[in-house]
Amino acid sequence: QKEVEQDPGPLSVPEGAIVSLNCTYSNSAFQYFMWYRQYSRKGPELLMYTYSSGNKEDGRFTAQVDKSSKYISLFIRDSQPSDSATYLCAMGQGGSEKLVFGKGTKLTVNP
Amino acid sequence: DVKVTQSSRYLVKRTGEKVFLECVQDMDHENMFWYRQDPGLGLRLIYFSYDVKMKEKGDIPEGYSVSREKKERFSLILESASTNQTSMYLCASSFSAGNQPQHFGDGTRLSIL
Repeated sequence: QKEVEQDPGPLSVPEGAIVSLNCTYSNSAFQYFMWYRQYSRKGPELLMYTYSSGNKEDGRFTAQVDKSSKYISLFIRDSQPSDSATYLCAMGQGGSEKLVFGKGTKLTVNP
Repeated sequence: DVKVTQSSRYLVKRTGEKVFLECVQDMDHENMFWYRQDPGLGLRLIYFSYDVKMKEKGDIPEGYSVSREKKERFSLILESASTNQTSMYLCASSFSAGNQPQHFGDGTRLSIL
């Protein structure tokens, strides 16, 4: 079983849709969780950072962590064509500086 | 804002050449990382450094070495470039306070002919 699983997509939605992106993980020691957005030919950009279970909201983006199910989600409300990108989940455990990344989900928002 | 700068966006080299990729960060981060990113394989850690002159192997260190002589600069070296090292190379940095996110540069797309 891979440490982090992320559906690669591609995912195509109309403008204004609510998007749900997900990752599952197997290592119960993971304590902090991130979502990165990567535009074509650019590096990953930190979008959301959460530590512990629960929800965190930032504008149109909501990150959700369910440690009991080992499942994290990123919701995008009122999606825009500018949200078209690859979204990477990442997670880490206390005492380690390294992160484990999902392989990314490619999202296209159609105008 | 954190700035991680990679010296080249695109680079073309020949097999057998020694290749240097440079990365500079301006946030006084202790940790610096080199990844390669390939379609279907995601991000794979090559090496990371947690302090000047300190380094640790990642998941795929073979064929690579690194150098960190100054805190802000981390270099990746391909000792003798091969075609299977054609890839997107990403540098990242983070604080070492624990549980810190990594910040990435825009990558170097390296082609080995």
